[in-house]
Parts: sequence; C-alpha cells; structure tokens
Amino acid sequence: DAGVIQSPRHEVTEMGQEVTLRCKPISGHDYLFWYRQTMMRGLELLIYFNNNVPIDDSGMPEDRFSAKMPNASFSTLKIQPSEPRDSAVYFCASSARGGLTEAFFGQGTRLTVV
Amino acid sequence: QKEVEQNSGPLSVPEGAIASLNCTYSDRGSQSFFWYRQYSGKSPELIMFIYSNGDKEDGRFTAQLNKASQYVSLLIRDSQPSDSATYLCAVKAGGTSYGKLTFGQGTILTVHP
Repeated sequence: DAGVIQSPRHEVTEMGQEVTLRCKPISGHDYLFWYRQTMMRGLELLIYFNNNVPIDDSGMPEDRFSAKMPNASFSTLKIQPSEPRDSAVYFCASSARGGLTEAFFGQGTRLTVV
Repeated sequence: QKEVEQNSGPLSVPEGAIASLNCTYSDRGSQSFFWYRQYSGKSPELIMFIYSNGDKEDGRFTAQLNKASQYVSLLIRDSQPSDSATYLCAVKAGGTSYGKLTFGQGTILTVHP
C-alpha cells in the first residue's frame, strides 16, 4: 500500500485566494483526520470523519475552513479566503476501526499564505 | 484545560542515559494511548501504544499508563543521538467521541554525544 497520500506537498498562495488540500487515505481505513501543525499550537485536530461522515469539526478554526469526504478514497480541506495566519503544515491521517489501531500520516502539505 | 498536555521541554540528555517523557489527559473515558515520534520536517510515526494500566516494553522503549492519575509516560533507555526528535503523546477517545485522536503539544528531545 502506498500509504496516505496528500497533495500538493507545498502550496504558496496570496492572501484572499482559495486553497484546496487533498488526501487519499489508506484503502480500508474507516477514519480520516485532518490536522494542522504550527510551532505555537502544535498538532491540532481540525476535523475527523468516520465512514465518510464528519463526526467532529469543533477544531475547524473558522467558517473559512471546510472539509469534505465524498467517498472512502478521497477528502479535501478547503480554505476560502486564505489568510497569512493559515500558514502551517496540514496533515491528513487515516486509521482502521478499533481503539488500538494507530493513525498513519501523510507527508503533509506545507501551506504559505503571503 | 487542554485535552492532552505534555511538557514542551526541550529535554536534553546525554547519550546512553534514560529519557523520560510525560503526558496527562483530561478525559477519563479515553481508551488507548499512543506515542509518536516526529523528526524535523517529517510526519509523525508510531513508536508504541498502550491501553492497560502498567508497563509495556518494546526494545529500548517502555510506555507506562496510570488511568487513575490520567498519566502516560514514555521511557527511552540507552538514548542515542538518533532519538533526537519531537515526541507526541496521543489519546484516543471512547464513548460518544469514539475514534477521536487528540495530540499533545509534543516534547522536543535532544540526545547529545
């Protein structure tokens, strides 16, 4: 298996532009997580899905952020409009069902908003 | 109160020493606990998990869990310079938040020769 695949790896955009981050989870995994990592705030959980259904989006910072999972093999995180404070590394992770199953992380997308 | 708290460090130990990393969590219904390691510029990767009170050993690593105190720790014996990284404690929720995986801030560990 290729693992969790995220794209793009790097994104530089201007303030006010729309940004879409993409994630392909490991096949057969029921859970998908979106995290944001910064030096100041560490690894924050933004939203997670179970069987393509959003379960908890309380970590989404503002209405500018939205996430979708149209099917079991694809998810997107969209920021519209983007702001410089959104600059961070965004990770997608997936895990199988079960309390003892680990989450596998993608390579991350480094987002810079100028 | 944060859901998962770690000493941010940095923690510096000499090569060959024992490194001790600590983590507390707020939700008593949490069901399982994970330690991840993250090298600079890389993704987090699992070191080990624990779900029962007591100790769990895997090579040079020992995880300890005390549910009554809501405390998890990781001991690294015979620390090596290659262990220098950020160590992340993660807690998986139970109950109505089943499956939710929350991370602590991370502890930066430096092992110096």
